[in-house]
Amino acid sequence: QSALTQPASVSGSPGQSITISCIGTSSDIGDYNYVSWYQEHPGKAPKLVIYDVSNRPSGISDRFSGSKSGNTASLTISGLQAEDEADYYCSSYTSSNTWVFGGGTKVTDL
Amino acid sequence: EVELVESGGGLVQPGGSLRLSCAASGFTFSSYRMHWVRQAPGKGLEWVSSITTSSTYIHYADSVKGRFTVSRDNPKNSLFLQMNRLRDEDTAVYYCVRDRIEIWPSGFDPWGQGTLVTVSS
Repeated sequence: QSALTQPASVSGSPGQSITISCIGTSSDIGDYNYVSWYQEHPGKAPKLVIYDVSNRPSGISDRFSGSKSGNTASLTISGLQAEDEADYYCSSYTSSNTWVFGGGTKVTDL
Repeated sequence: EVELVESGGGLVQPGGSLRLSCAASGFTFSSYRMHWVRQAPGKGLEWVSSITTSSTYIHYADSVKGRFTVSRDNPKNSLFLQMNRLRDEDTAVYYCVRDRIEIWPSGFDPWGQGTLVTVSS
């Protein structure tokens, strides 16, 4: 049950696009389209922003998009805004019928 | 409104036990798989355990297997986590989380507000 690999931090200027990678294995990301992404602001519970690789829940801005290639999933935030500053976590279902999270990526606004 | 409210956290000595509860409302509790997810102070999220609708299938992270037990009471819309032989590294905020939809592992939503467990002598 090794954690998925995410960069510790990603930064961008307002209005720019940023992409967060999430590297897994053939037993999790590579085997299922059950990849999800969560946004966490300090002191708040995590919030689902992408499910099933590329789908947005109701109420989530279309500036958030997700994709997957092989064992790697990605979250892109376009038109970066100050409110997007947060920690982001990827997660995947695994072949062991368990779930695994990434280590988290801090997104900062330059 | 869908809501999950955890309780039962607190300070416990290493080797001790604690039982967390989660009260669910606003949805048909018996139709959804439920999970516990934790976050150590300043650290990332860690999936802890899952339990299917009728408690038929239960899974644990390796880090808690043999020490933690998840259960549910569908008529009372409640989820539980019995934590035994607690270690310093179990110190974390514990979140009660629901599968986004019935049946499929299609993301965690919603999340409770979390309850803090501190293991320290």
